[in-house]
Amino acid sequence: EVQLVESGEGLVQPGGSLRLSCVASGFTFSNYAMHWVRQSPGKGLEYVSAINSNGDTTYYADSVKDRFTISRDNSMNTLYLQMDTLRPEDMAVYYCTRGNSSILDSWGPGTLVTVSS
Amino acid sequence: SSELTQDPAVSVALGQTVRITCRGDSLRNYYASWYQQKPGQAPVLVIYGKKGRPSGIPDRFSASRSGNMGSLTITGAQAEDEADYYCNSRDTSGNHVVFGGGTKLTVL
Repeated sequence: EVQLVESGEGLVQPGGSLRLSCVASGFTFSNYAMHWVRQSPGKGLEYVSAINSNGDTTYYADSVKDRFTISRDNSMNTLYLQMDTLRPEDMAVYYCTRGNSSILDSWGPGTLVTVSS
Repeated sequence: SSELTQDPAVSVALGQTVRITCRGDSLRNYYASWYQQKPGQAPVLVIYGKKGRPSGIPDRFSASRSGNMGSLTITGAQAEDEADYYCNSRDTSGNHVVFGGGTKLTVL
């Protein structure tokens, strides 16, 4: 069974940093592109970032470019999202998802990032 | 703003058929995928590609595409289908992934 479990939930002040992790199991992690999608309270889904299977190609939404960094450790079956210079509008539940192309076939339960002073 | 547009809300009587639509220029070249999200839960992929349906998704869920519009059809809607539904696809450049704004489905 495919499992994705995010961690790193927390409260951070504006301008602060936070690192999210996602541990994958039940599939060959190194065969899949991975993604982060977020959802602000009461809002829709927003695509945030992606990384290809071997980690040498990344993508960022304009809203997080130059502030967030996606990475992965295929030996540890783990996906990361380093979030710097956080803003109140970054407050959301962050989901780790698996998928090649735009088809996101497995999702973690999500982890909440709160940005507030 | 999203490059994919969905109606904010749709309702359907129990057992009837409902279509949820997603519009965007990129859908002329790419199929939409569809996700179901119930309150407090992560989204679940229900339809992908031309007519792909992941294991465990009931066959009352189907999809179609015409021009710049993709559609998710639920034939014989059940109470448990009440949820938010999101479409996603590539954008017009093909380089990025975008989501529609979501449709809240109410089963009456």
